[in-house]
Amino acid sequence: EAQVTQNPRYLITVTGKKLTVTCSQNMNHEYMSWYRQDPGLGLRQIYYSMNVEVTDKGDVPEGYKVSRKEKRNFPLILESPSPNQTSLYFCASSPPGRWTEAFFGQGTRLTVV
Amino acid sequence: AQSVTQLDSQVPVFEEAPVELRCNYSSSVSVYLFWYVQYPNQGLQLLLKYLSGSTLVKGINGFEAEFNKSQTSFHLRKPSVHISDTAEYFCAVSGVTGNQFYFGTGTSLTVIP
Repeated sequence: EAQVTQNPRYLITVTGKKLTVTCSQNMNHEYMSWYRQDPGLGLRQIYYSMNVEVTDKGDVPEGYKVSRKEKRNFPLILESPSPNQTSLYFCASSPPGRWTEAFFGQGTRLTVV
Repeated sequence: AQSVTQLDSQVPVFEEAPVELRCNYSSSVSVYLFWYVQYPNQGLQLLLKYLSGSTLVKGINGFEAEFNKSQTSFHLRKPSVHISDTAEYFCAVSGVTGNQFYFGTGTSLTVIP
């Protein structure tokens, strides 16, 4: 089944403890991106990647890192999480030449205490 | 950069009644426009998109939207809603030469039996 898989789905962590949220797609998509969703703010793009080893900042990249070492994976790294990074995170991917057709993962609900 | 305004945060409507969810965008360049739906505890799913051509775009589940360049709007409509249409709806925009989506804050559609 074609899908975008995020792990974990739920995570509670403490301030400053490094964490990684994984994102994997099995559709051979080139374009991948990360969003955070907050009440009243909608979705805001954190980082995106046009292809392997090509990443760029979105609207709210501060406090986050990404890497794209292989086409299928696009992990989101929080080196030192803070409570203001408590949010619902979505990974998305798009087919080659059709980046406007985004497929979203199920989301990761992160709480930083 | 582009931006999106969804004018209604919540829209209650009775089953089988028509509905319109409003979306206005701002951009200094030509745009692509999108509507996504988010069912509870799920990721976003593409409803429809406008890239070029006919300004009336038909999507899944009986939804349609009309691109109005002079009014910078992309309102979503359905002539008769069902209980299963209860969800959060997001309007999004991107520049035709860009690689980023900009989402609105969302409209919560509640269909009342």
